[in-house]
Amino acid sequence: GNSVTQMEGPVTLSEEAFLTINCTYTATGYPSLFWYVQYPGEGLQLLLKATKADDKGSNKGFEATYRKETTSFHLEKGSVQVSDSAVYFCALKVGGFQKLVFGTGTRLLVSP
Amino acid sequence: EAGVAQSPRYKIIEKRQSVAFWCNPISGHATLYWYQQILGQGPKLLIQFQNNGVVDDSQLPKDRFSAERLKGVDSTLKIQPAKLEDSAVYLCASSLEGAANEKLFFGSGTQLSVL
Repeated sequence: GNSVTQMEGPVTLSEEAFLTINCTYTATGYPSLFWYVQYPGEGLQLLLKATKADDKGSNKGFEATYRKETTSFHLEKGSVQVSDSAVYFCALKVGGFQKLVFGTGTRLLVSP
Repeated sequence: EAGVAQSPRYKIIEKRQSVAFWCNPISGHATLYWYQQILGQGPKLLIQFQNNGVVDDSQLPKDRFSAERLKGVDSTLKIQPAKLEDSAVYLCASSLEGAANEKLFFGSGTQLSVL
């Protein structure tokens, strides 16, 4: 079946530190890959996505590259801010009308 | 544009009671999803509608959960009777057509506590 594995949190960083949140996937077929973010008190929102191998999704300084050879979609940011504190979910979807499958989420805490 | 609206925001009930959640998706979105998010876990799809038809309800506990989407717009999710393990946040989401690379728009969720 389709599944996503994320690194466990919380990830605790100081402001301006480099961030990596690991995500690997298993899929029957050729998935689209997503990172969703949940800020405190808010709903889930799409952060970035990639739909084919070697695509790089980017938004708000975050990046993730679709690596088919390692079945990975790691999230990175060069310099985190306190406002980036949130829970980050890696997710995949295979084909139309298929469900979006989420990882367990990784909480990021950034201190000033 | 207006987002996905859900109500109520919070609900506390005792086990064996019934509860219903309501969702109004973004106007024009054909696909509507209900997810269950248990504390510390990722969201799990309960049911997916395409217009007013069910596309996937394979993970919906049909002995106690039911959902409908009349007229292909608003949707309600019901639990009857509730169990302790149903305590979770229930998220509604919608998307334009349900395509593989399409963005989902999520509501703020309904936090259910079953005592």
